[in-house]
Amino acid sequence: QVQLVQSGAEVKKPGASVKVSCKASGYTFTSYGISWVRQAPGQGLEWMGWISAYNGNTNYAQKLQGRVTMTTDTSTSTAYMELRSLRSDDTAVYYCARDLRVGSECDYWGQGTLVTVSS
Amino acid sequence: DIQMTQSPSSLSASVGDRVTITCRASQSISSYLNWYQQKPGKAPKLLIYAASSLQSGVPSRFSGSGSGTDFTLTISSLQPEDFATYYCQQSYSTLGRTFGQGTKLEIK
Repeated sequence: QVQLVQSGAEVKKPGASVKVSCKASGYTFTSYGISWVRQAPGQGLEWMGWISAYNGNTNYAQKLQGRVTMTTDTSTSTAYMELRSLRSDDTAVYYCARDLRVGSECDYWGQGTLVTVSS
Repeated sequence: DIQMTQSPSSLSASVGDRVTITCRASQSISSYLNWYQQKPGKAPKLLIYAASSLQSGVPSRFSGSGSGTDFTLTISSLQPEDFATYYCQQSYSTLGRTFGQGTKLEIK
């Protein structure tokens, strides 16, 4: 069965970076992409970007351009999302989700990773 | 960016009721519209993709319709497990696959 398992919770100081991992299993990793979505406490869902696990092509949300990098390691079927220059409003649960391409949908989701940014 | 606006933001209903949630896009997105259900502390769950296609395993009381800019999610007969927050998402634009702000469905 398809599973996405994310890394554990993180606490970071403002200005630091965080890297969240998402290990996929149960499907051919390189046949799909991965979207990253975050949710601040009590707020709605915010799409952060998408990466193709086939060729590494990325699309990032404009507001995060320059601060976010998404990568994949096909040898371990793992996707990564790194966010730099963290601010308090980056405090959120970060989700990865399997997402085929532009025009498709997020059909399987990871369990979420809480990132807390606090001095 | 394409803006997605859901209405209502919250809704109270009873078990057995028929419920409709609306999602409007700021420009045409053809049928590139998905619906998700989220329960507290859990990851979102895909219900409907491509505006009207039911995701495998999702009960048939859920249905979606629309194209262009106006879309609806309908639950034909509310069950206790359906009380949750619902989000629409457009997947038309490479610049951002934006979500609506959510509709919280509560028990009356």
